[in-house]
Amino acid sequence: DAGVTQSPTHLIKTRGQQVTLRCSPKSGHDTVSWYQQALGQGPQFIFQYYEEEERQRGNFPDRFSGHQFPNYSSELNVNALLLGDSALYLCASSLGGYGGGTDTQYFGPGTRLTVL
Amino acid sequence: KQEVTQIPAALSVPEGENLVLNCSFTDSAIYNLQWFRQDPGKGLTSLLLIQSSQREQTSGRLNASLDKSSGRSTLYIAASQPGDSATYLCAPAGGGNKLTFGTGTQLKVEL
Repeated sequence: DAGVTQSPTHLIKTRGQQVTLRCSPKSGHDTVSWYQQALGQGPQFIFQYYEEEERQRGNFPDRFSGHQFPNYSSELNVNALLLGDSALYLCASSLGGYGGGTDTQYFGPGTRLTVL
Repeated sequence: KQEVTQIPAALSVPEGENLVLNCSFTDSAIYNLQWFRQDPGKGLTSLLLIQSSQREQTSGRLNASLDKSSGRSTLYIAASQPGDSATYLCAPAGGGNKLTFGTGTQLKVEL
């Protein structure tokens, strides 16, 4: 059983560019959450997708957007990149959507984004 | 707004020692709490999940407790091994299973 997968592993961009990160959830999971982890910090919640809709959002600007596809995979898009967007971006999958608050979340290996 | 504090920030112990990692959170209205480990530059590995109605959860050498009313959780690691060296993160889950993380405890187990 494949766990959560993310692509690409590493990415280098320059300021002002746009980036798309991808996530495939664990088999059988229908909910995908995205987190940003700056160096030396704990992950911070960006947003959550369930049934192809954004159900919750953390304190991130509109430059951060996402999408969930019918097969539950998800994309995170970041526009107008800033130096401060350099971080490890983590995807987590779980089951149950907004009403489910009891299920273990499984994380992928992350995408390391460097903005120069 | 949920805030999570983990103490100590770093810990170095000799192999075989039992140890306790502490986590405190400000909002007791949580659905569950998860403990994770993270190796350098890697993703998070789920260790234990405690439901809000539970007091303890055990997996192998790991035991996690939860006191929701006081906003505290502890992770107990028995007979520590060098392979346990990692950063340990606790994350209470609010509505919709949104996790809030502390900055973690960096553990080093020495031979």
